[in-house]
Amino acid sequence: EDQVTQSPEALRLQEGESSSLNCSYTVSGLRGLFWYRQDPGKGPEFLFTLYSAGEEKEKERLKATLTKKESFLHITAPKPEDSATYLCAVQADSNYQLIWGAGTKLIIKP
Amino acid sequence: NAGVTQTPKFQVLKTGQSMTLQCAQDMNHNSMYWYRQDPGMGLRLIYYSASEGTTDKGEVPNGYNVSRLNKREFSLRLESAAPSQTSVYFCASSEGGGRGVFGPGTRLTVL
Repeated sequence: EDQVTQSPEALRLQEGESSSLNCSYTVSGLRGLFWYRQDPGKGPEFLFTLYSAGEEKEKERLKATLTKKESFLHITAPKPEDSATYLCAVQADSNYQLIWGAGTKLIIKP
Repeated sequence: NAGVTQTPKFQVLKTGQSMTLQCAQDMNHNSMYWYRQDPGMGLRLIYYSASEGTTDKGEVPNGYNVSRLNKREFSLRLESAAPSQTSVYFCASSEGGGRGVFGPGTRLTVL
């Protein structure tokens, strides 16, 4: 069964304290892995797409990486405005639908 | 360029009442989706439309119906609302891959 698990559920960091969020997946043939950001009371906002193991994407303080079993979202020297819930989703070769993780709530304290 | 718009933003229903959630996109995307989001769970796909004129069931379609009115609009109907349908509903559109644009959501409470 295709499955996506994100950890931790919540992460509290001090401003400037770098860390990583994890997205583990089980899928029969990966078409793509997607990272989204969701602010409270709003819809998810697309961040990155990763297609194959070894691929990396960067945007400001965020870098996403991909292996055959998991993806990491690394956040370097975060600021309070990086506080949000980060969602991971995968799309399998065999299924049009996205399978979503439950998200990691990131809180950056000034 | 508004992206994806949803109406209403909030709604309270009594058990057994019906309602339609409206969604429109102005990006000329072929695919549109309806998701629900519940605390502690990932987004779950209710229905999707890969292109104008087609609709397909997602993971949790029971109790819902959809209409792809034209390329821009995709509506979700609850025929007889139940408390288990209390949730936040998101509409999204895309060119067919996983890179979607989401609307702001509709917060629905069924009493």
